[in-house]
Amino acid sequence: DARVTQTPRHKVTEMGQEVTMRCQPILGHNTVFWYRQTMMQGLELLAYFRNRAPLDDSGMPKDRFSAEMPDATLATLKIQPSEPRDSAVYFCASGLTRDLTGELFFGEGSRLTVL
Amino acid sequence: LAKTTQPISMDSYEGQEVNITCSHNNIATNDYITWYQQFPSQGPRFIIQGYKTKVTNEVASLFIPADRKSSTLSLPRVSLSDTAVYYCLVGDTNYGGATNKLIFGTGTLLAVQP
Repeated sequence: DARVTQTPRHKVTEMGQEVTMRCQPILGHNTVFWYRQTMMQGLELLAYFRNRAPLDDSGMPKDRFSAEMPDATLATLKIQPSEPRDSAVYFCASGLTRDLTGELFFGEGSRLTVL
Repeated sequence: LAKTTQPISMDSYEGQEVNITCSHNNIATNDYITWYQQFPSQGPRFIIQGYKTKVTNEVASLFIPADRKSSTLSLPRVSLSDTAVYYCLVGDTNYGGATNKLIFGTGTLLAVQP
């Protein structure tokens, strides 16, 4: 059963530390999204890739966040330095889309707590 | 930017049909309408997608009027396990239509009671 895999599932860290979240999209999918979810802001789109190329990262705080796809099987979201306001659940989603009409498959999320 | 408006919450009872309406007044010609379901501590899950008129699958129906400024997700005979947050999304066209961003609104919390 193909699924999107995210690691770590839970991460507790201290302010100022670097955090890296990883996502393995479903094999063959060409589009990868990163979302962040908090009670206050709901689901926010941070960045997205198509065929490993970053297409939009306007939702991401540029000074501390970075998103990459080093290869087709791995997407990473890095926060350096982390701050308490970054505490949230981070979701990765992948899809096989043309003009994004296709279904997105979400991972189970990485819950980040920054103390 | 096509924004969506949904009721914050709805209540229902087991066995009833539930209709959740979403407004998207600024929907663009190339935009599709997609609904996702999210349970606590899980990622959203695709339910149904449509462009116009009516779409039906094994779990839901999606009704879209001719002007496409709104859509209604219909869940037949809900059960307790349908308690979740339901999101309406409209594809946001950018870069001359070559790319889109999927923007989630606030969602509707559906609470199904026995």
